[in-house]
Amino acid sequence: EPEVTQTPSHQVTQMGQEVILRCVPISNHLYFYWYRQILGQKVEFLVSFYNNEISEKSEIFDDQFSVERPDGSNFTLKIRSTKLEDSAMYFCASSGPFQVEQYFGPGTRLTVT
Amino acid sequence: AQSVTQLDSHVSVSEGTPVLLRCNYSSSYSPSLFWYVQHPNKGLQLLLKYTSAATLVKGINGFEAEFKKSETSFHLTKPSAHMSDAAEYFCVAPSGTYKYIFGTGTRLKVLA
Repeated sequence: EPEVTQTPSHQVTQMGQEVILRCVPISNHLYFYWYRQILGQKVEFLVSFYNNEISEKSEIFDDQFSVERPDGSNFTLKIRSTKLEDSAMYFCASSGPFQVEQYFGPGTRLTVT
Repeated sequence: AQSVTQLDSHVSVSEGTPVLLRCNYSSSYSPSLFWYVQHPNKGLQLLLKYTSAATLVKGINGFEAEFKKSETSFHLTKPSAHMSDAAEYFCVAPSGTYKYIFGTGTRLKVLA
């Protein structure tokens, strides 16, 4: 069964460093998303991406964040200068042409020290 | 705007007894609604979905949910809990075209 994959599973970085979180969505999907879950809190929407551009973004998704689909398979989230409060689990998701449901990857746990 | 409210942050049941996890939504129209499960240190797995085809929706692992428009509810049930059901459960609704809104989650504990 096709699935969304994410790498790495755990990333530790120092405050101020740039990180890139990688996702491989399901191959025929067209819509891509990033969410995050700070420990003990609910899952929050960050950004959605369709047709090579951002469709919608939340107030969390400020200038420090960017997304890219550099090739036909990968979907990346870049945080330019990480802060302690960026420590969270980041989930990538994708959905197909009719967008009925989103399929989530296993997540990348980002720890900023 | 669409929102979902999960009424219980923690639910404990004994193995073999029924499970009820409550979710209410707010919307001016019949929405799509989903339940996702997150096992410890795992990702989010779709349990079941409501997309206005049938009000009683069956999902994986014996779970089901009933959409009740009059009560704006979409509660998740299972007749008999199993130890492996211990996890966090999220009620989720689309908001607009491109994003999901998650409830705050209900942590289910199953006692032996």
